[in-house]
Amino acid sequence: DQQVKQNSPSLSVQEGRISILNCDYTNSMFDYFLWYKKYPAEGPTFLISISSIKDKNEDGRFTVFLNKSAKHLSLHIVPSQPGDSAVYFCAASANFNKFYFGSGTKLNVKP
Amino acid sequence: SQTIHQWPATLVQPVGSPLSLECTVEGTSNPNLYWYRQAAGRGLQLLFYSVGIGQISSEVPQNLSASRPQDRQFILSSKKLLLSDSGFYLCAWSQYRGEQYFGPGTRLTVT
Repeated sequence: DQQVKQNSPSLSVQEGRISILNCDYTNSMFDYFLWYKKYPAEGPTFLISISSIKDKNEDGRFTVFLNKSAKHLSLHIVPSQPGDSAVYFCAASANFNKFYFGSGTKLNVKP
Repeated sequence: SQTIHQWPATLVQPVGSPLSLECTVEGTSNPNLYWYRQAAGRGLQLLFYSVGIGQISSEVPQNLSASRPQDRQFILSSKKLLLSDSGFYLCAWSQYRGEQYFGPGTRLTVT
């Protein structure tokens, strides 16, 4: 049973526009959420995180929104750049020992 | 600064052969350590995690095993590989209440 889901396997966006990547979770005990970026044949790199006590966290062009009642989080990238093209994973944790990952969304930013 | 090493980068092994993948972390002490697998076109599947020397939690029943002989060393093993063991294996570390940092990964092909 997958506790973290990314229902969009791919997303295509024009350079300069906003990219919105979505993630849903089922476990109400999750209280820490993260986004990772992954290039082919490399390990994921940490992008941004959010604790359940917040509903928004910003870092430069990246903003993560958390809607606890809907068990939904999203990553906004504004403005999108071709270098942002990668696979994005969301992850969630309830105890900081185990992290559950979604299946990823492949973002393609077109020049 | 902290670094994480994984080797080998690529590995081709016949069915039924043994496996040993090694991961070491530098620049931190008593990290949580993780092994993940990414099968082709799939997300990250947590295989094992460890919160201390000799403490291993298994997430998925399979023919793989993990060991942590030293604080910053994590080893993934198998006595007999299956075709279904092919994938991209990732080691990661974290400190308590922190995000995970991933190694470069090992591409395993079982033939």
